[in-house]
Amino acid sequence: GENVEQHPSTLSVQEGDSAVIKCTYSDSASNYFPWYKQELGKRPQLIIDIRSNVGEKKDQRIAVTLNKTAKHFSLHITETQPEDSAVYFCAASAGGGADGLTFGKGTHLIIQP
Amino acid sequence: DAGITQSPRHKVTETGTPVTLRCHQTENHRYMYWYRQDPGHGLRLIHYSYGVKDTDKGEVSDGYSVSRSKTEDFLLTLESATSSQTSVYFCAISEDDIGQGEQFFGPGTRLTVL
Repeated sequence: GENVEQHPSTLSVQEGDSAVIKCTYSDSASNYFPWYKQELGKRPQLIIDIRSNVGEKKDQRIAVTLNKTAKHFSLHITETQPEDSAVYFCAASAGGGADGLTFGKGTHLIIQP
Repeated sequence: DAGITQSPRHKVTETGTPVTLRCHQTENHRYMYWYRQDPGHGLRLIHYSYGVKDTDKGEVSDGYSVSRSKTEDFLLTLESATSSQTSVYFCAISEDDIGQGEQFFGPGTRLTVL
C-alpha cells in the first residue's frame, strides 16, 4: 500500500519568514495530494490540494509543488503569521481521494514572534 | 464546516465492551470514511463507504466493523473494545464527483478504553 513520509516533525520559524514542509510517497499511482491544517483540539481542515496533472498550485500565502518523477510534494507558507501555528498533515491517494487518504505523521509548525 | 456531526463526542468504556460511534452528514455526499488519530501516527484509515451498504477496509480495520444503511449515517463498531483502541476517531465525507475528492472532517470522538 501507499506510504507517506513527512519532514520535519517540528519546524520553528520567525514570524514573517517562510516555512517549507516536505513529503514523499511510495505509490506511483497516487494522483491526489491534499494538505490539512489541524489546530489543537480541532478537526483537520483542508488548506490546499494538488492533482498529478499539475506541478504547482498557489492560494495567497500558501503554495504546493509536486514532483511526480521524484515522488515528492511540498507545502510552502510565505510571510508566516502567528495564526499559522498548527500541525500540518500531507496525504496521498491513488483513487483521487475516493478510496481514502494515506497521511504523513504531521509537522508541528511554531511561529516565533 | 460541512454538515458533519459525530456522536458521542467523548466516551469512556471498559475493555471487552462493545462500542458504536455514529457519523451523520447532511450534505448527501456519497463517500464516508472513518479515521483514527494517535500521537506519532497521524491519521489512519479504518474503513470507508462508497454508497449505501457498500463498504471496504482501510489500513487499520482489524477489530472494527462498519455499517451504512442510509446515505447520511455511517456507524463504526468496536465489537470488544481494547486499550489499544483508545484514540480520537474522525469521520470524513467526500462528494467525489469526477475531479473532486476533497474530504471534510467531522469534529471527532475521543474514546478512552480502560
